[in-house]
Amino acid sequence: GQSLEQPSEVTAVEGAIVQINCTYQTSGFYGLSWYQQHDGGAPTFLSYNGLDGLEETGRFSSFLSRSDSYGYLLLQELQMKDSASYFCAVRDNYGQNFVFGPGTRLSVLP
Amino acid sequence: ETGVTQSPTHLIKTRGQQVTLRCSSQSGHNTVSWYQQALGQGPQFIFQYYREEENGRGNFPPRFSGLQFPNYSSELNVNALELDDSALYLCASSLGGDDYEQYFGPGTRLTVT
Repeated sequence: GQSLEQPSEVTAVEGAIVQINCTYQTSGFYGLSWYQQHDGGAPTFLSYNGLDGLEETGRFSSFLSRSDSYGYLLLQELQMKDSASYFCAVRDNYGQNFVFGPGTRLSVLP
Repeated sequence: ETGVTQSPTHLIKTRGQQVTLRCSSQSGHNTVSWYQQALGQGPQFIFQYYREEENGRGNFPPRFSGLQFPNYSSELNVNALELDDSALYLCASSLGGDDYEQYFGPGTRLTVT
């Protein structure tokens, strides 16, 4: 079967750096994506890793290690508006199924 | 560029009834995926349609069915509603069946009583 694990909650202060980890077990693997969802809102795409290594997009970076079935999302220079839930997601089963993790709720404190 | 839209925003149904939810894809996108999101959980993949054909299905019973139309809009139909079907239903569009970047609509909040 497929499963993803993430920490349920993370708390940090404005201006800090936070890392949200994701480990996965899938029957196939076609890349790891990250989505942000504010309360009452829709998920929005943040980042994608198809190959091992680091992808950087502004204040957000994402890392993947396929040999370790592990990835993380790194958020730098935290702002209050970054308070949201963050989901990792994988494609598996020959790329036809999307599996989302349970989500990590990030609280940014002043 | 028009984003993903869904209707209705909220819906209340009785157990055993049937419901149809609608989604309009982002302009130019030919793939739509549907998800069920229970409170405090991640979205659960229901199925995906690519150019009007089902292109993948998650672990949902056959009473969850869908359609995609030539203009790439889509419907999710749920028959014989159960209390556990109460959730936020999200559709997401993408360009191509294997596109990792999906654009989500605001969702339909379904309550089954």
